[in-house]
Amino acid sequence: GAVVSQHPSRVICKSGTSVKIECRSLDFQATTMFWYRQFPKKSLMLMATSNEGSKATYEQGVEKDKFLINHASLTLSTLTVTSAHPEDSSFYICSAPDSYNEQFFGPGTRLTVL
Amino acid sequence: AQSVAQPEDQVKVAEGNPLTVKCTYSVSGNPYLFWYVQYPNRGLQFLLKYITGDNLVKGSYGFEAEFNKSQTSFHLKKPSALVSDSALYFCAVRDTQSGGYQKVTFGIGTKLQVIP
Repeated sequence: GAVVSQHPSRVICKSGTSVKIECRSLDFQATTMFWYRQFPKKSLMLMATSNEGSKATYEQGVEKDKFLINHASLTLSTLTVTSAHPEDSSFYICSAPDSYNEQFFGPGTRLTVL
Repeated sequence: AQSVAQPEDQVKVAEGNPLTVKCTYSVSGNPYLFWYVQYPNRGLQFLLKYITGDNLVKGSYGFEAEFNKSQTSFHLKKPSALVSDSALYFCAVRDTQSGGYQKVTFGIGTKLQVIP
């Protein structure tokens, strides 16, 4: 099946700094990618839909200025957590769908904000 | 609107026994249905999907699921559980009524514990 990678897999940062997470589709092109956030023992919460060549679509309650998304190419989407705070600590997962919307997930990025 | 319900927060089963993880869904049109598994601190791994055709879908690692339209269910099953099957399982649905890459809705997840 298709492969989606994420980088970094784990990041620890100080409060107030910004962190960029990359999501890449390695062997297919993805005009759309999804960014999820997962809290401990909770389901995936869709944060936003990343659209290649246009603005991302954010879910209700997700701050656009806090979570910046850029879909620069057909294989790369980035999520930047700006001015991170401890409450932003979470597991962030991206996915890219095929034509049946079977979503191929990245391995996730564990963000810890001190 | 589409939704998914996984009524059991946790399922415990003895190794070698059959297992079932329940899932029901609600969509306006016809559903695409998926099961994913997640191991600790890992991303989701695809197990199987129902798009159309045979109601019994076979997937990875010996898992299967049966699409039941009348009961709007898509329960995940395995004839003989392994300790290594212990993980978090997510059911997901996408409504096919609208075109394009419509978002997939996930259930809250069911923790499967297989006891040696």
